[in-house]
Amino acid sequence: QKEVEQDPGPLSVPEGAIVSLNCTYSNSAFQYFMWYRQYSRKGPELLMYTYSSGNKEDGRFTAQVDKSSKYISLFIRDSQPSDSATYLCAMRMTYNTNAGKSTFGDGTTLTVKP
Amino acid sequence: NAGVTQTPKFQVLKTGQSMTLQCAQDMNHEYMSWYRQDPGMGLRLIHYSVGAGITDQGEVPNGYNVSRSTTEDFPLRLLSAAPSQTSVYFCATRGRGSEKLFFGSGTQLSVL
Repeated sequence: QKEVEQDPGPLSVPEGAIVSLNCTYSNSAFQYFMWYRQYSRKGPELLMYTYSSGNKEDGRFTAQVDKSSKYISLFIRDSQPSDSATYLCAMRMTYNTNAGKSTFGDGTTLTVKP
Repeated sequence: NAGVTQTPKFQVLKTGQSMTLQCAQDMNHEYMSWYRQDPGMGLRLIHYSVGAGITDQGEVPNGYNVSRSTTEDFPLRLLSAAPSQTSVYFCATRGRGSEKLFFGSGTQLSVL
């Protein structure tokens, strides 16, 4: 079983819709939670990150972490065609022996139709 | 400021050939890493380094070697290419105290 599970989709929504992307994980030692966006034939780019549980908002994007359920979400409000990409969740522990490693989900492919 | 530069962008190898994928960064980041990305398997960590002279294995290290003689460069060597190594390879770096991984643009490798 993978440490991080993410529904690959694909997910197709109309422009203006609210999008919900989710990941579950099994390792309770994960403390940092990230969302990356990857456009076709490009490297991933960090969209948002949160430490431990809670919410974080940045413009149209909101990241939520529920450590008790081992579940993280990314919400996109007023989705735009330019949001069409693959979204990858990533997680990292904090103690030194694994400080360098980020574990990624498989990614969810999102298409926003005009 | 180029960020993370990967070369080559595309490469085709025959089974058994060896080659080196180059990764260079100009951001003075201590942490550098190599991932491979395959359909349905996401990004998997191959090797990583937390500083010059220090390397460690990731999730899928077999068939790959790395070295880190300078802060700027972190080459990935394929010793004897196999079709199972057909993938897109990404180099990623991170600065001290930051959670943000900076990715290169990737190398598309095909092994025939």
